[in-house]
Amino acid sequence: AQSVAQPEDQVNVAEGNPLTVKCTYSVSGNPYLFWYVQYPNRGLQFLLKYITGDNLVKGSYGFEAEFNKSQTSFHLKKPSALVSDSALYFCAVTRGGGATNKLIFGTGTLLAVQP
Amino acid sequence: NAGVTQTPKFQVLKTGQSMTLQCAQDMNHEYMSWYRQDPGMGLRLIHYSVGAGITDQGEVPNGYNVSRSTTEDFPLRLLSAAPSQTSVYFCASSLKRGVETQYFGPGTRLLVL
Repeated sequence: AQSVAQPEDQVNVAEGNPLTVKCTYSVSGNPYLFWYVQYPNRGLQFLLKYITGDNLVKGSYGFEAEFNKSQTSFHLKKPSALVSDSALYFCAVTRGGGATNKLIFGTGTLLAVQP
Repeated sequence: NAGVTQTPKFQVLKTGQSMTLQCAQDMNHEYMSWYRQDPGMGLRLIHYSVGAGITDQGEVPNGYNVSRSTTEDFPLRLLSAAPSQTSVYFCASSLKRGVETQYFGPGTRLLVL
């Protein structure tokens, strides 16, 4: 069975500081990993994904994530946080090579960036 | 393109009532899915479809029915609403199976009294 964990319900960071939102996963076989962001009263928006290749993935709005196979992690990072980055962030995983596109989502991490 | 659209945006039901949540996409996507979002539980897959005429169950299918008569539309039916179905419902679509990015609709907030 596949699963994903986001150990922090909320992350607080000051504007201009680097941010990290943590994600660990469990899946048999090769994982496909995704980050989505949800702004208040909106649907989820795609940020970035890891399928294969370079462990450092760059995505929208200056975000990046690092795939670490040995630690089964896919943490989301940004060098300098903006107040507008404040939102709910979801990590998701699916099994590579699977016949369906069923994503398993984490419980979400609320990012609060203080001015 | 309008992307993924959902109606209604908000609905209040009484226990036992039925209703249909509408979802449509204009991107010619094969794959469509329904999720529910509850506090502290993330998104959970209700039903999904890999193409017109083909549907299957997700993690939490009980109390919900779906059909996919066209590529564009994927309605979710609540046959007899229960308070436990109070949630925010999201429809999503992607080009096809596998690693494709899913595009989400704006959501339907449902309150069952």
